[in-house]
Amino acid sequence: DTAVSQTPKYLVTQMGNDKSIKCEQNLGHDTMYWYKQDSKKFLKIMFSYNNKELIINETVPNRFSPKSPDKAHLNLHINSLELGDSAVYFCASSQNPGLVTGELFFGEGSRLTVL
Amino acid sequence: GQQVMQIPQYQHVQEGEDFTTYCNSSTTLSNIQWYKQRPGGHPVFLIQLVKSGEVKKQKRLTFQFGEAKKNSSLHITATQTTDVGTYFCAGRSPGNMLTFGGGTRLMVKP
Repeated sequence: DTAVSQTPKYLVTQMGNDKSIKCEQNLGHDTMYWYKQDSKKFLKIMFSYNNKELIINETVPNRFSPKSPDKAHLNLHINSLELGDSAVYFCASSQNPGLVTGELFFGEGSRLTVL
Repeated sequence: GQQVMQIPQYQHVQEGEDFTTYCNSSTTLSNIQWYKQRPGGHPVFLIQLVKSGEVKKQKRLTFQFGEAKKNSSLHITATQTTDVGTYFCAGRSPGNMLTFGGGTRLMVKP
């Protein structure tokens, strides 16, 4: 059983389209995240949700909209895709960072290519 | 804001050589984590250091946390081809924000 699963794994689309990436975790964690990893491997946090509530929203264009229907799911919707959105998007989860280790468990990533 | 710098960006070593990556934070950290990402894979948690001056070992990997809790290092003794990947440090600020370093990509020649 995959702990953090995200779909799709690969996404190729045209500029201007809208797309979504879904993420689910079965670890019972309270906190979920979206990270963007560019071609240089930099890992940048985009959003963090704790128990369905947005707690971190880094400077991300408002074309990106996260949605957390429940604490096990965090989806990412992207409007009007641009070439610069091409990257690997990782979903991650952790137990409440204030407790224990707060280590992140990452999904396998969704590689988005915008043509 | 908090910045975490990691050097070197890339390192090529011959199998059997040692390897070290260094991590420096602009602010004092409450803890630091290390992750490994294999080529084409996702980051996987290795370890967390919490105490000032802490040293932890995992087989050939040695992790250190500086006395001032602003820097850390990961040392691999006698690298193997299975060590290939990108190693990330991630520093947690007292405000609970986790910031990743830029990563060090390790390549091992057999």
